Amino acid sequence: AQSVTQLDSHVSVSEGTPVLLRCNYSSSYSPSLFWYVQHPNKGLQLLLKYTSAATLVKGINGFEAEFKKSETSFHLTKPSAHMSDAAEYFCVVSERNQGGKLIFGQGTELSVKP
Amino acid sequence: DGGITQSPKYLFRKEGQNVTLSCEQNLNHDAMYWYRQDPGQGLRLIYYSQIVNDFQKGDIAEGYSVSREKKESFPLTVTSAQKNPTAFYLCASSIDRWGHNEQFFGPGTRLTVL
Repeated sequence: AQSVTQLDSHVSVSEGTPVLLRCNYSSSYSPSLFWYVQHPNKGLQLLLKYTSAATLVKGINGFEAEFKKSETSFHLTKPSAHMSDAAEYFCVVSERNQGGKLIFGQGTELSVKP
Repeated sequence: DGGITQSPKYLFRKEGQNVTLSCEQNLNHDAMYWYRQDPGQGLRLIYYSQIVNDFQKGDIAEGYSVSREKKESFPLTVTSAQKNPTAFYLCASSIDRWGHNEQFFGPGTRLTVL
C-alpha cells in the first residue's frame, strides 16, 4: 500500500535562509507526487507536481522539489524563506488508476522568524 | 471566476442533527472528493465521485453520505451517526479520474458540534 512520511512535523527558519521540508513515499507503481500548502483556515493550494517528466520540478513562489526514485524521496526546497511562506505543507502521493485517490502526509508546519 | 466554492464557511450543529455541506465547481471537472481534516493531521478521504451518478466510499465514510446528481455539485451530509463530526471539511475536484493530475481544493467548511 502506498504511504507518505513527512519527516519533520515542524520546521523553523529565519527569513532569507534556505528551506528544506523532507518527504519520503512508498508506492507500488509509478506515482504522481505533489506538494500542497495550506494557510490557516484555508483550503490547499498546489505548489508543484511530479508526474514522471523531469525529476527536478519547479513550482510557484520559488519552491522546487526533486524526485529521487532510488531514495523514494521528494523533498521540497526554497533558497530563501519569506515571512509569507509560514504555513502548513503537505506532501501527497497519488496512485494512478486508483480513482485519483490522494494519500497525504501528516504535514509540516513551517515557521519563519524575522 | 473558475473554481470551487464551499458553503457555509462555519457551521454549528447540535448533537443528533444531520447537516449538509455544499460543494460546487465550475471547472467542468469529472472527479470530486470530500476530505476531513483534524488538528495536526493530514487529510482523510470520506467519499469520492469519478462521474455523475456514481460515488465511492473513501477511508472514513461511516456516518457520512453524498450524492452526485449534477457534474458541478457534490454535497456531503454529516449524519447523527458520525460520532465525532467536529472538523474542517474540504472539497476538491480534478479534471481526470485516475490521479494523473492535481486536485483543486475549495476554501473549506469548519463544522462544530455543540
